[in-house]
Amino acid sequence: EAQVTQNPRYLITVTGKKLTVTCSQNMNHEYMSWYRQDPGLGLRQIYYSMNVEVTDKGDVPEGYKVSRKEKRNFPLILESPSPNQTSLYFCASSPSLEEQYFGPGTRLTVT
Amino acid sequence: RKEVEQDPGPFNVPEGATVAFNCTYSNSASQSFFWYRQDCRKEPKLLMSVYSSGNEDGRFTAQLNRASQYISLLIRDSKLSDSATYLCVVNMGDLYGGSQGNLIFGKGTKLSVKP
Repeated sequence: EAQVTQNPRYLITVTGKKLTVTCSQNMNHEYMSWYRQDPGLGLRQIYYSMNVEVTDKGDVPEGYKVSRKEKRNFPLILESPSPNQTSLYFCASSPSLEEQYFGPGTRLTVT
Repeated sequence: RKEVEQDPGPFNVPEGATVAFNCTYSNSASQSFFWYRQDCRKEPKLLMSVYSSGNEDGRFTAQLNRASQYISLLIRDSKLSDSATYLCVVNMGDLYGGSQGNLIFGKGTKLSVKP
């Protein structure tokens, strides 16, 4: 089944404890992206990647890192999470920037 | 400043009604346009791409007006299952020096279709 998977789906952590949210797609898509969604602010792009080893900042990259060492995986790294990074995170992939396929989301709480 | 603005919601309509959403974008060099649908607590899913000539898919019609910098979504004969949040998405391309992967989402318009 063609899909985008994210792990974990839910995470509660403490300020400053490094964490990684994984994203994997099995559709051989070149484009992948991370978003956060907050009430009243909508979906905002954090980082995106047009291909392996190519990443670019979106609108809200501060406090996040990404890597794209292989086509299928695009992990999101929070080196030192803070409470303002509490949010719902979505990973997405796309073959052509037309239709994006979103993962099920990761709900992160930083206390 | 990059912006994608949508009609404020929520829209509460009876079944069978026709409802229209508008979305404006801030710069004429934007590359491509989409409408996504998001159900509560779920991931967004593509509803329609929006082409210059306009496009229709069943009860849904999307249109682009480049001169006025807005896109629209028309839903005819609303169904209960149309209740969701509708997201306008614009690909800003390399307008601001970035690449074509920079997608801007509107904040969404919530639609509630009542029996």
